[in-house]
Amino acid sequence: AQTVTQSQPEMSVQEAETVTLSCTYDTSENNYYLFWYKQPPSRQMILVIRQEAYKQQNATENRFSVNFQKAAKSFSLKISDSQLGDTAMYFCGSEKLVFGKGTKLTVNP
Amino acid sequence: NAGVMQNPRHLVRRRGQEARLRCSPMKGHSHVYWYRQLPEEGLKFMVYLQKENIIDESGMPKERFSAEFPKEGPSILRIQQVVRGDSAAYFCASSPRTSGRVNEQFFGPGTRLTVL
Repeated sequence: AQTVTQSQPEMSVQEAETVTLSCTYDTSENNYYLFWYKQPPSRQMILVIRQEAYKQQNATENRFSVNFQKAAKSFSLKISDSQLGDTAMYFCGSEKLVFGKGTKLTVNP
Repeated sequence: NAGVMQNPRHLVRRRGQEARLRCSPMKGHSHVYWYRQLPEEGLKFMVYLQKENIIDESGMPKERFSAEFPKEGPSILRIQQVVRGDSAAYFCASSPRTSGRVNEQFFGPGTRLTVL
């Protein structure tokens, strides 16, 4: 069975700085997808970024990028130029419908 | 294209009553997933359905909980004889499954169930 672990329950960052959220996973699959979702105070779940395991290139979406280390089974999310609107819970998830417990990110002005 | 819709957004029930949560997937999506989020915790998968078919219910409690996704109409998550521990946010997601793989899921706004 797949497992997803987020080891940072809470993090904070100053506005305009960069922050990295960690995620590790365990799977026996060779090809798979990984996702980062954002859940702001509104409770809506919003897809931030997706990575396909067979692609060596790290996925990037504007200020969001991932550091995907397939051998190490690590899938961290980097947020550059943090904005106040980035304050949210961030969940790392796999296509096998498994999510981590989340990291609460607070961006301070 | 409207997103995933869930109703009601807030539901209050007394212990022993039934709760019915509805989810309308995005247009063109034939796969629906239900998750539960307890306070201060992450998402827990409950059930994955295709129209008229339950694909995976490994996350569903064995008793009191059931789900369906009929040919016509929304998907329904039904909780019978609710208890205080059922109080949580219930999220529905839908996806357009392609090539046999689970694609990204589009989440609804959730239904917050409070059991008094």
